[in-house]
Amino acid sequence: GESVGLHLPTLSVQEGDNSIINCAYSNSASDYFIWYKQESGKGPQFIIDIRSNMDKRQGQRVTVLLNKTVKHLSLQIAATQPGDSAVYFCAENMGGYQKVTFGTGTKLQVIP
Amino acid sequence: EAQVTQNPRYLITVTGKKLTVTCSQNMNHEYMSWYRQDPGLGLRQIYYSMNVEVTDKGDVPEGYKVSRKEKRNFPLILESPSPNQTSLYFCASSYRDTYEQYFGPGTRLTVT
Repeated sequence: GESVGLHLPTLSVQEGDNSIINCAYSNSASDYFIWYKQESGKGPQFIIDIRSNMDKRQGQRVTVLLNKTVKHLSLQIAATQPGDSAVYFCAENMGGYQKVTFGTGTKLQVIP
Repeated sequence: EAQVTQNPRYLITVTGKKLTVTCSQNMNHEYMSWYRQDPGLGLRQIYYSMNVEVTDKGDVPEGYKVSRKEKRNFPLILESPSPNQTSLYFCASSYRDTYEQYFGPGTRLTVT
């Protein structure tokens, strides 16, 4: 498949452990934050989003935390599985639903 | 099956030879976007469209054109490709007023 990441920050996690992927965003006026997952050779896939007036949102096996004070976003994955191995991107909304700016990504490697 | 399709998946061309990358979605989405993905830079938005005949520039529109004559199709046109447009391109679509974008499988373009 297509590889798109060179020298991406990499997080290695043992299967069954929890993963925490961090992201620093740039614009304090951003209204929404979104996490995407990109498996090797595929397009990004939406995971979860969070509005700026919230500090936590939970999905299926994932939790996103937002700290606006320090402009920090994190994605927590519970009981990490081999299928979670991918590159994870945070993105922020810069104005309007279509104006989304992506971060550079973090590679998650799950060790069986 | 709900999906975003792109063609071609791989293309090698020469500088200055006009090309079109097609994108089609079967989910009746209002919004469509084009992104390019380069190592270390994440995904950068090229153009987006909020509906038929409504398009606008993203962050890196130079050297690209788009059109949205039908709701389902959003082709990306490179009138005179240059080597710095060598990249992995993704088309995405979404319903209005949501951040959940659906991405195509990507088009790997090489310009020599």
